[in-house]
Amino acid sequence: GEDVEQSLFLSVREGDSSVINCTYTDSSSTYLYWYKQEPGAGLQLLTYIFSNMDMKQDQRLTVLLNKKDKHLSLRIADTQTGDSAIYFCAERRGYGGATNKLIFGTGTLLAVQP
Amino acid sequence: SQTIHQWPATLVQPVGSPLSLECTVEGTSNPNLYWYRQAAGRGLQLLFYSVGIGQISSEVPQNLSASRPQDRQFILSSKKLLLSDSGFYLCAWCAQGKNTEAFFGQGTRLTVV
Repeated sequence: GEDVEQSLFLSVREGDSSVINCTYTDSSSTYLYWYKQEPGAGLQLLTYIFSNMDMKQDQRLTVLLNKKDKHLSLRIADTQTGDSAIYFCAERRGYGGATNKLIFGTGTLLAVQP
Repeated sequence: SQTIHQWPATLVQPVGSPLSLECTVEGTSNPNLYWYRQAAGRGLQLLFYSVGIGQISSEVPQNLSASRPQDRQFILSSKKLLLSDSGFYLCAWCAQGKNTEAFFGQGTRLTVV
């Protein structure tokens, strides 16, 4: 199927690490993304990973990709209250042309407790 | 630098009325353009995407249509709105042919009453 699955909700305490998981479906996806959406706003790209990579770290963010299991995760270290938002994973299917689609997951609401 | 504009930010329309949401991109040429709908604050559903002028691909059957009359203009329309068309609509663009991020507009909150 076309679904990109995520858990709906995650609650963590401030200062802890958050891990948001995503399962995608298309093994030919070239790039995988994590986006953040704050209330009533558009989406902001946090980070992305190319499908031939296993891990990417960017400051407090670590992305892990298990291509065999089609599993993507986002770890946020030292989670802050400002990290509270909905997080979407997305896969980019195809490369150029009419198959160049961005398919988003269902979104995970991260709630950070002070 | 590239920017994306989407308007209006909010819209309240009666059932049966027409709809036109506009999205324009500046600072780039020949972008891929996308319309997404986010219902009830969760989940992004791809509605339409376009790889060039006049080229529209529809992802789901629905009451909406899209057009791309110019390279950097993407319009979402309906002839007669339904209650179920209510939602948060997001326009996005990304460069063709290579990996770049998708840039999103600020969204339009559509309420059909």
